[in-house]
Amino acid sequence: EAGVAQSPRYKIIEKRQSVAFWCNPISGHATLYWYQQILGQGPKLLIQFQNNGVVDDSQLPKDRFSAERLKGVDSTLKIQPAKLEDSAVYLCASSWAGGGAYEQYFGPGTRLTVT
Amino acid sequence: AQSVTQLDSQVPVFEEAPVELRCNYSSSVSVYLFWYVQYPNQGLQLLLKYLSGSTLVKGINGFEAEFNKSQTSFHLRKPSVHISDTAEYFCAVNQAGTALIFGKGTTLSVSS
Repeated sequence: EAGVAQSPRYKIIEKRQSVAFWCNPISGHATLYWYQQILGQGPKLLIQFQNNGVVDDSQLPKDRFSAERLKGVDSTLKIQPAKLEDSAVYLCASSWAGGGAYEQYFGPGTRLTVT
Repeated sequence: AQSVTQLDSQVPVFEEAPVELRCNYSSSVSVYLFWYVQYPNQGLQLLLKYLSGSTLVKGINGFEAEFNKSQTSFHLRKPSVHISDTAEYFCAVNQAGTALIFGKGTTLSVSS
């Protein structure tokens, strides 16, 4: 079974530029998460999708971050414009259903450096 | 709201020694508890989880954890570590239908 795929693996941009990350979850997984992991910290939820609907985006900085999950499969996370403090690893995870006992499977992450 | 505190940011041990990574959590409702491992430049991999039932949970790679409700703790243990166990370990909690809330992580460094 293929795991969660993410691309690109690494990205370096200058502040005020825009960037987009892509995630392809495990086939059949209804729930998709985007987490932000700043160096030295644990991952923090940015947004949770159930199929193509948003379940929780309370911690997403909506003035610069946006995410979509068209057709309830792949997802894209965008940052525009980027700030220095956005330097982090962006992790995508998926599960059969939302939260609880369902294991979340993580992709390898995209490491973003903003200069 | 829930929170997770990992009491040790770094734990250095020698190979074949036992290790315990400590995790305390705070929640006003029942939660599920998890330990994840993260190797350099990789995503997170589930080590073990506590959902209900027996308070001693066994996971992959010889790890186990014990849920202590009265002390709100979920400490991770391994009786004999290997060099390959060197990694970052995260304790996490969630409720049904919600995302994971992670601690800040513990770096386990195993040397020979």
